[in-house]
Amino acid sequence: DVKVTQSSRYLVKRTGEKVFLECVQDMDHENMFWYRQDPGLGLRLIYFSYDVKMKEKGDIPEGYSVSREKKERFSLILESASTNQTSMYLCASSPAGGPGANVLTFGAGSRLTVL
Amino acid sequence: DQQVKQNSPSLSVQEGRISILNCDYTNSMFDYFLWYKKYPAEGPTFLISISSIKDKNEDGRFTVFLNKSAKHLSLHIVPSQPGDSAVYFCAATVYDNYGQNFVFGPGTRLSVLP
Repeated sequence: DVKVTQSSRYLVKRTGEKVFLECVQDMDHENMFWYRQDPGLGLRLIYFSYDVKMKEKGDIPEGYSVSREKKERFSLILESASTNQTSMYLCASSPAGGPGANVLTFGAGSRLTVL
Repeated sequence: DQQVKQNSPSLSVQEGRISILNCDYTNSMFDYFLWYKKYPAEGPTFLISISSIKDKNEDGRFTVFLNKSAKHLSLHIVPSQPGDSAVYFCAATVYDNYGQNFVFGPGTRLSVLP
């Protein structure tokens, strides 16, 4: 069963801490995405990557960075966590073309609380 | 400026009846539309999609209708079941300078009452 795995389901961090959210997909997908989900705001795109070593800013990149050193792994980094980054973080992937290119596959999500 | 809008934050329906979830969009360049379902503490799961060149797609109890002239799509669930209670996100895809981009609406919480 193909999947997107987010290593941490629940995290509690303190303001100012550095936070790493890891995402691994086993579908050999080229495209990977990080979203955050907040009530009433839907899913907002933070960063995305269409290839290894490639990254592009989404709609709300401020306060975040990403790393994609290998095709299967896309990491989201909060350099200095703040309380307004308390949210559900969702990683997703999709193939660059062919069947399934128009569908995102999501991980189970990482619920981050910043105190 | 939201390109994909779901104007109903919530919807309650009796079990066995039809659920209709609506979605409006503003970008005429969107070429593919999707519906995702999300349970609490889980990631969204793909439900059904429709290409912009079609006006209807059906999969079991789920049917999506697309009205391009009105920039409107809807998801029909017949008959509704308690297990359908979840948040439903409408999404659309468009190709930009970098590749394919996915734009999501804010979601509608569906409650199916037994």
